[in-house]
Amino acid sequence: NAGVMQNPRHLVRRRGQEARLRCSPMKGHSHVYWYRQLPEEGLKFMVYLQKENIIDESGMPKERFSAEFPKEGPSILRIQQVVRGDSAAYFCASSPNVGMNTEAFFGQGTRLTVV
Amino acid sequence: DAKTTQPNSMESNEEEPVHLPCNHSTISGTDYIHWYRQLPSQGPEYVIHGLTSNVNNRMASLAIAEDRKSSTLILHRATLRDAAVYYCILRDVRSNDYKLSFGAGTTVTVRA
Repeated sequence: NAGVMQNPRHLVRRRGQEARLRCSPMKGHSHVYWYRQLPEEGLKFMVYLQKENIIDESGMPKERFSAEFPKEGPSILRIQQVVRGDSAAYFCASSPNVGMNTEAFFGQGTRLTVV
Repeated sequence: DAKTTQPNSMESNEEEPVHLPCNHSTISGTDYIHWYRQLPSQGPEYVIHGLTSNVNNRMASLAIAEDRKSSTLILHRATLRDAAVYYCILRDVRSNDYKLSFGAGTTVTVRA
């Protein structure tokens, strides 16, 4: 059973370009979460999705950022018109359900560098 | 939200136990205590969680104070692979809290 798969592991974008980060949850997991870790800072929750639905996007910047988790295929975190401040590690996690006894399984992250 | 306080860093020698404290003096009766760790250049990894009773699993033990205002994660025999940032996180069962609020954590260094 493969773990949470994120790709690419490293992504370099020029200012103004678009970044697309992909996350394939563990098999059987229908809950996906995205977190961002800015340099020298802790991980911050961004968004929680279930299949085809955004449940909580309270941690997402209001502009340029969007996320989806389609019926088929991976979850996508999309950042339009990237700026240097978007440089960070983006982690995806998945779980089979929600609840106190449910652990979240994290991927290895995508490290985005904006030049 | 209840907050946690952890030391910034701790050092240990290989094969010795490591005791990582976490203070959560404002914890509510419905907060679970979760521990995750993040190895260098990796995503976080679940370690253990508990509510009131002490808990053991293959990775670690969790000792919870009787008043629940503090807890201690115990790594029984540290290895070099245990060098990581360890996060103590509270999750409220009332809200079915799915968000993990990562603080600064404790950076554990293991000396060979």
